[in-house]
Amino acid sequence: LAKTTQPISMDSYEGQEVNITCSHNNIATNDYITWYQQFPSQGPRFIIQGYKTKVTNEVASLFIPADRKSSTLSLPRVSLSDTAVYYCLVRWNRDDKIIFGKGTRLHILP
Amino acid sequence: EPEVTQTPSHQVTQMGQEVILRCVPISNHLYFYWYRQILGQKVEFLVSFYNNEISEKSEIFDDQFSVERPDGSNFTLKIRSTKLEDSAMYFCASADRLDTGELFFGEGSRLTVL
Repeated sequence: LAKTTQPISMDSYEGQEVNITCSHNNIATNDYITWYQQFPSQGPRFIIQGYKTKVTNEVASLFIPADRKSSTLSLPRVSLSDTAVYYCLVRWNRDDKIIFGKGTRLHILP
Repeated sequence: EPEVTQTPSHQVTQMGQEVILRCVPISNHLYFYWYRQILGQKVEFLVSFYNNEISEKSEIFDDQFSVERPDGSNFTLKIRSTKLEDSAMYFCASADRLDTGELFFGEGSRLTVL
């Protein structure tokens, strides 16, 4: 399983764009990059998954450079309710063992 | 919108007692999971279940733990003889396919072992 490294915590302000970068230097050819969000006392919630270049949905964008050794989750115009822990996961997309790391604790300030 | 439901939301038990945590996954899903999260720590994988058998398990999932899908809707986690360190939030999750990377999690069951 590819090891991921992401900031322990980040602060930002309402209305700002937030970018959380995850390093995964030993990502394998068949691995996908997936991001989850977890609010306090709730289960994680899937945000986005990508393999290369850019993926966008209604919640976030995921930027993956050509070497795929890192990825950046971009949250546009955050609000206080985006305060949560964000997890970057790297896994083969047939792998049944989905492992969470320590995540990035994002704190949005008014 | 379909959701994963878990019961109980909170259970307090004495050390050494057996506990069963229950989950109703989303109805057309095929893959089922249990995770736990000790307060303030990361979400830890316990076990995955597919086609009526365990497909993966972690080193945490020792002989004290078992899972069962007794009927077409429930998915249970049993802890045979609880220890203090089993106190945690236990999350059930399900998925209809693996390639999207999307697991649907329940709200969790908080287990407190005294």
